Amino acid sequence: DIQMTQSPSSLSASVGDRVTITCRASQGISNFLAWYQQKPGKPPKLLIYAASTLQSGVPSRFSGSGSGTDFTLTISSLQPEDVATYYCQKYNSAPYTFGQGTKLEIK
Amino acid sequence: EVQLVESGGGLVKPGGSLRLSCSTSGFTFTSYTMNWVRQAPGKGLEWVSSIDSTLTYMYYADSLKGRFTISRDNTKNSLYLQMNSLRAEDTAVYYCAREDRVYDYFDSWGQGTLVTVSS
Repeated sequence: DIQMTQSPSSLSASVGDRVTITCRASQGISNFLAWYQQKPGKPPKLLIYAASTLQSGVPSRFSGSGSGTDFTLTISSLQPEDVATYYCQKYNSAPYTFGQGTKLEIK
Repeated sequence: EVQLVESGGGLVKPGGSLRLSCSTSGFTFTSYTMNWVRQAPGKGLEWVSSIDSTLTYMYYADSLKGRFTISRDNTKNSLYLQMNSLRAEDTAVYYCAREDRVYDYFDSWGQGTLVTVSS
């Protein structure tokens, strides 16, 4: 099965900073990659699908890129409400594996 | 408005069984593949199982080793997860999630139901 590895596992940044989270697949998955945001006590929320397509209603400071095995989620200007854990997920075929998550905090 | 509401969680002893339900509304249930995803306390997301709209395809995480069974009742707009031979490591919040109709990412999630396996 394809493994998904995120880095870093945790990240602390200041409001206004540009933040980048990386997700690597152990085999190529084309662009079948989604990013989710999860705040404490809440279900995950879809941010990006097809590696770079922003879900409706998601702020434009979020962006995604990549194809094949290497992907990134970027927040162009970190806001206090972005404190959350972020997960990547591959969905080219089952099993629909998630990365281990990246916990983002405000410095 | 799309709504997914899980129920059926609770405390169960090791070796016991539990059946989770996910009641849906606000969309045409019969057109969507549905999934279960779980999250152990303080841990990440783990995909559990998937069932397509026609009940033709069902997929499971290898880690479940045949203990869980996914099903759905399209007349009741509901998704189910039968969990048998439960272990402490099955303790988690269980979410139901809807797949996008074209691709397989999860575009809507329920609030989750907590399953605790403990003696």
